[in-house]
Amino acid sequence: KQEVTQIPAALSVPEGENLVLNCSFTDSAIYNLQWFRQDPGKGLTSLLLIQSSQREQTSGRLNASLDKSSGRSTLYIAASQPGDSATYLCAVEGGSYIPTFGRGTSLIVHP
Amino acid sequence: DGGITQSPKYLFRKEGQNVTLSCEQNLNHDAMYWYRQDPGQGLRLIYYSQIVNDFQKGDIAEGYSVSREKKESFPLTVTSAQKNPTAFYLCASSRGQANTEAFFGQGTRLTVV
Repeated sequence: KQEVTQIPAALSVPEGENLVLNCSFTDSAIYNLQWFRQDPGKGLTSLLLIQSSQREQTSGRLNASLDKSSGRSTLYIAASQPGDSATYLCAVEGGSYIPTFGRGTSLIVHP
Repeated sequence: DGGITQSPKYLFRKEGQNVTLSCEQNLNHDAMYWYRQDPGQGLRLIYYSQIVNDFQKGDIAEGYSVSREKKESFPLTVTSAQKNPTAFYLCASSRGQANTEAFFGQGTRLTVV
C-alpha cells in the first residue's frame, strides 16, 4: 500500500526566505504527483502537477521536482511571503488513479 | 464557472441521525472521491467512484454510504453507525486517467451535537 510522508510537519520562517518542503512515497509506480495548498477551513487548491515522465514543474515562485526512482519530491518556494502561509499537501496517483495524500506541512511566514 | 460545489459548508448532526453531504461537479469528470480530514491526519479516502452507477470502498468506509446515479453528483451519507463523525469532509473529482489533475470542493465541516 502506498504511503506518503511529508517533512517537516511544521515550519515557521521570516519573510523572504527560500523554502524546501519534502514529500516521499514508498511505491515508485506512480502516474503523477500533485502539490496542493490548503488554507484554514478551506478546500485544496492545486499548485503543480508533475507527470511521472517529468523531472520538474514551475509556476511563478514555486518549483516542484520529482525523483520517481527514489520516491521523492520537493516543493521549492522562493522569496517567501506572509501570503504563502498555509498547509501544503502532496498527493501521488498510482495504478488505480486515486490520489494518496501525505499529512501536509504547515507553513507560517511571518513579516 | 467550472468546478466542484459542496454543500452545506457547516452541518450539525444529533446522535443517531443520518446526514447527507452534497457534492456536485460540472467539469464532466468521470471519477469522484470523498475524503475525511482530521487534525494532523491528512486526507483519508472514504469512497470513490470511477464511473456512473459504480463505486468502491476506500480505507475508512465503515459508517458511510454513497450513490452515483448521475455523473455530476456523488452524495455522501454519514450514518448513525459512524461513531466519530466530527470532521472536515472533502469531495474531489478528476478525469480518472493518468496524468490528470484532481480538483477539490471547499469542504463540509460536520459536527456532532
